Amino acid sequence: QKEVEQNSGPLSVPEGAIASLNCTYSDRVSQSFFWYRQYSGKSPELIMSIYSNGDKEDGRFTAQLNKASQYVSLLIRDSQPSDSATYLCAVGSYNTDKLIFGTGTRLQVFP
Amino acid sequence: DTEVTQTPKHLVMGMTNKKSLKCEQHMGHRAMYWYKQKAKKPPELMFVYSYEKLSINESVPSRFSPECPNSSLLNLHLHALQPEDSALYLCASSLAPRGAGGLGTGELFFGEGSRLTVL
Repeated sequence: QKEVEQNSGPLSVPEGAIASLNCTYSDRVSQSFFWYRQYSGKSPELIMSIYSNGDKEDGRFTAQLNKASQYVSLLIRDSQPSDSATYLCAVGSYNTDKLIFGTGTRLQVFP
Repeated sequence: DTEVTQTPKHLVMGMTNKKSLKCEQHMGHRAMYWYKQKAKKPPELMFVYSYEKLSINESVPSRFSPECPNSSLLNLHLHALQPEDSALYLCASSLAPRGAGGLGTGELFFGEGSRLTVL
């Protein structure tokens, strides 16, 4: 059974701090990794994708991938109250359109 | 334009009704998906269409019937649903499929969803 695990939270951080969200996965042949943000009652929105080991930065967001340790993380710098949402980690393998989603981490950024 | 449009946004139906959910994208994407999401749970894959052909059916009950009339449209026909089928139904698309040797990136773009309530 392929699994993607996330801490459900809530993760509470003050405004302006760095929020660190983590995700581990069980399938060693996973090749594609995604972070989606989902506001309450809304649909998921893709915010980062990463395919190779290391860091990938986009604005205030940095995705980090370590395939040897089978984890992927998302750092949000200068966190804002508008970042308060559930963050879903999703993992894909070669030659399949099926993504395995984690259960999500709820992030709360307080002023 | 990076939009996936779903209609209706809200749907209430009885267990004997027949209704349809519709999804449209004009981004030239060739893979389209239906997901189901219950409250506080991750999205669950239901169906995948690759180049207008059904490529994945995640053992979904036959009361859900997908249809892909062309590369821009995806429908989900609903018949004889149960109250436990009440959920947010999400359509998504991606530029190209990743399965069967496809070169897609796997990035999904979701519509706003159709919130279904079965009475």
